[in-house]
Amino acid sequence: QVQLQESGPGLVKPSQTLSLTCTVSGGSISSGGYYWSWIRQHPGKGLEWIGYIYYSGSTYYNPSLKSRVTISVDTSKNQFSLKLSSVTAADTAVYYCAREGDYGDYDYWGQGTLVTVSS
Amino acid sequence: DIQMTQSPSSLSASVGDRVTITCRASQGIRNDLGWYQQKPGKAPKRLIYAASSLQSGVPSRFSGSGSGTEFTLTISSLQPEDFATYYCLQHNSYPPTFGQGTRLEIK
Repeated sequence: QVQLQESGPGLVKPSQTLSLTCTVSGGSISSGGYYWSWIRQHPGKGLEWIGYIYYSGSTYYNPSLKSRVTISVDTSKNQFSLKLSSVTAADTAVYYCAREGDYGDYDYWGQGTLVTVSS
Repeated sequence: DIQMTQSPSSLSASVGDRVTITCRASQGIRNDLGWYQQKPGKAPKRLIYAASSLQSGVPSRFSGSGSGTEFTLTISSLQPEDFATYYCLQHNSYPPTFGQGTRLEIK
């Protein structure tokens, strides 16, 4: 059973960089075949896809966030990470990591972590 | 981006009711659609993939149908644990986009 777990600071100051890590257990990122994504949900709102990474390091980002997003992978630790720069209050959200499964949608999700942007 | 329009945005129903939620895509997406259930404070849980395939472990009262631009999620007989928010997701083209959600409440 694949499990994902987000970790990182719950509070980030405006203009700084949000950094989160997703640790995968029960499966190896480096085995390939799956894309590993970040998705966020603003408080009381819908879901927004941020981007994905493949084990090889190839990425694809949502054009709406592309200029501020970096997703990286560390296969030795079975982790992938999100960096979002120049954050504002509008980036306050619950951030989820998820696996893009065999059918192209998201079959496994982390529990989510709330990140608040505030001074 | 492909826009996903979900309706209704909220719905009140009773235990035992049959409920249908609709998602319309702004352009054809074949059957590249999933349905998710989300309860407060929890991550979304996949119910349906490929528009009509039931995720393993999900009760058979849930079903999905549709192709192209119009899709439906049906719950045949509502149970107390089904009161939640439901989202559709298109993954036909990047970026993947979600519907705005349907909040299902107890009448």
